[in-house]
Amino acid sequence: KQEVTQIPAALSVPEGENLVLNCSFTDSAIYNLQWFRQDPGKGLTSLLLIQSSQREQTSGRLNASLDKSSGRSTLYIAASQPGDSATYLCAVSGSRLTFGEGTQLTVNP
Amino acid sequence: SQTIHQWPATLVQPVGSPLSLECTVEGTSNPNLYWYRQAAGRGLQLLFYSVGIGQISSEVPQNLSASRPQDRQFILSSKKLLLSDSGFYLCAWTTGGLWTGELFFGEGSRLTVL
Repeated sequence: KQEVTQIPAALSVPEGENLVLNCSFTDSAIYNLQWFRQDPGKGLTSLLLIQSSQREQTSGRLNASLDKSSGRSTLYIAASQPGDSATYLCAVSGSRLTFGEGTQLTVNP
Repeated sequence: SQTIHQWPATLVQPVGSPLSLECTVEGTSNPNLYWYRQAAGRGLQLLFYSVGIGQISSEVPQNLSASRPQDRQFILSSKKLLLSDSGFYLCAWTTGGLWTGELFFGEGSRLTVL
């Protein structure tokens, strides 16, 4: 059974800092991995989808990397802004879709 | 472009009352549809999924049920709500593989059972 872990559960950084969010999974037989953002009281917004054959995917200030062999994905946020404050979740796709519990990010002005 | 609508956005219901949450997807056809629940401070729990009209798969035995009367409509129901049904309910869709397609979520429906 796939297990997905996101550490840390919460992170607070000053504005302008580059930061990395982590997503670890136990079964490397994945099809793809998706990163989401969730604002308080809102639904999940898809940020990036990275296929198992890809090493990374970029969208604006966001860069997601994938290392299947080590069971890890990272979401890199460059030059963080207060508007980046949200919970970030990863979801690993294989025989089923398994979500992590998210990292709550606070970017302080 | 594709959009997904959920309603109502918030709902406060007494224990034992019925429930109906509705989800509609626009701009696509034959989507896979999903209902998730997110309890406070916890992760996402898959409740139901559907690959087509009238086809419902249940993940968790409980007093909730789902129906898909039309291709792009997914309804979550209960005949009698329990306190433990409180939570944030999210509808999602994909047109890719059931577990491999890019997943898109609605805005959610917050249910409080008193």
